[in-house]
Amino acid sequence: SQQGEEDPQALSIQEGENATMNCSYKTSINNLQWYRQNSGRGLVHLILIRSNEREKHSGRLRVTLDTSKKSSSLLITASRAADTASYFCATDAGYNTDKLIFGTGTRLQVFP
Amino acid sequence: DTEVTQTPKHLVMGMTNKKSLKCEQHMGHRAMYWYKQKAKKPPELMFVYSYEKLSINESVPSRFSPECPNSSLLNLHLHALQPEDSALYLCASSQAQGLVYGYTFGSGTRLTVV
Repeated sequence: SQQGEEDPQALSIQEGENATMNCSYKTSINNLQWYRQNSGRGLVHLILIRSNEREKHSGRLRVTLDTSKKSSSLLITASRAADTASYFCATDAGYNTDKLIFGTGTRLQVFP
Repeated sequence: DTEVTQTPKHLVMGMTNKKSLKCEQHMGHRAMYWYKQKAKKPPELMFVYSYEKLSINESVPSRFSPECPNSSLLNLHLHALQPEDSALYLCASSQAQGLVYGYTFGSGTRLTVV
């Protein structure tokens, strides 16, 4: 079953611009995670935000979480061509479950 | 060592073959996972192992058989697969089961069933 829906499905920007991706989910969660996947290979864990946190930063990444709206956003600032990848949000499938379920993903293309 | 290593990277098998996918980690992680990913889709959970015991099976067909011989190794045995089983199979690990830790993923095995 799918927990997260991401928006937009695809995003194309120029280097130096900011990229914002949104994730909406259905049930209460313990935390929400963001992953990056290059060219259909393995996923890389980017950031984890707990349900009692509202914002978190890691380098050029900024993640927000709004549990009242069941939504999260990932902002990549000053994007680079190397940021070209698919980005997935992931949450547990419902409170007190141990299944990490991935959203539909956003394909980001950054043009030099 | 902060990696999850999956072998082989590519596998082509016939529908009557038996093959195995291997996953290894030496980070001391106690939870390991198999995911299946079709093209342009998100990864889908198949199995969860916690402390070498199978804790979650997402109603995966019996032609997929997981095995955890020790805390560092996870195998996925394949038998009598169908062409629709062609996909990228991803292994992941985390410090423990439960979702307070991020997962470390391997680079996957791209499986083609002919």
